[in-house]
Amino acid sequence: EAGVAQSPRYKIIEKRQSVAFWCNPISGHATLYWYQQILGQGPKLLIQFQNNGVVDDSQLPKDRFSAERLKGVDSTLKIQPAKLEDSAVYLCASSLVPPGGPRNEQFFGPGTRLTVL
Amino acid sequence: AQSVTQLGSHVSVSEGALVLLRCNYSSSVPPYLFWYVQYPNQGLQLLLKYTSAATLVKGINGFEAEFKKSETSFHLTKPSAHMSDAAEYFCAVSDRSTDKLIFGTGTRLQVFP
Repeated sequence: EAGVAQSPRYKIIEKRQSVAFWCNPISGHATLYWYQQILGQGPKLLIQFQNNGVVDDSQLPKDRFSAERLKGVDSTLKIQPAKLEDSAVYLCASSLVPPGGPRNEQFFGPGTRLTVL
Repeated sequence: AQSVTQLGSHVSVSEGALVLLRCNYSSSVPPYLFWYVQYPNQGLQLLLKYTSAATLVKGINGFEAEFKKSETSFHLTKPSAHMSDAAEYFCAVSDRSTDKLIFGTGTRLQVFP
């Protein structure tokens, strides 16, 4: 079974530039998550989708971050414009069942390491 | 609000020694608890999870954790460390109505020969 795919793996940009990350979840997984992991910290949830609808985006800085999950499969996370403090690893995860269902495992991708100069 | 505290950002053990990584949680209701491992430049992998069945939970790679409600703890142990166990370990909590995971700050485990 193929895992969660993310691209690019690394990205270096100047502040105020734009950047986009792509995630392809495990086939058939209804729920998709984007996490931000700043160096020395645990991952923090940015946004959670079930199929193509948003379940939770309370931690997403909506003035600069946006995310979509067209057709309930792939997802993109965009930052525009980027700030120095956005330097982090952005992790995508997916799980099989909808929120509130039986406790199920979130499967994580390898992440995209973003450096903002 | 739910939270987890991982005591010790770095733990070093000799190969073959006991591994003990500490995690304490804060939750007003019985939570679900998880341990994840992260190897360099990789995503997180689930080691084990507590979902209110047995309080002693066995996971992959010989790890286990015990849920102690009286101590609000969920410490991770392994009887004998292996060099391949060197990684970052994260404890996480979620409530019973959502899948939202709240992670601790992580503990980096070093294993010396």
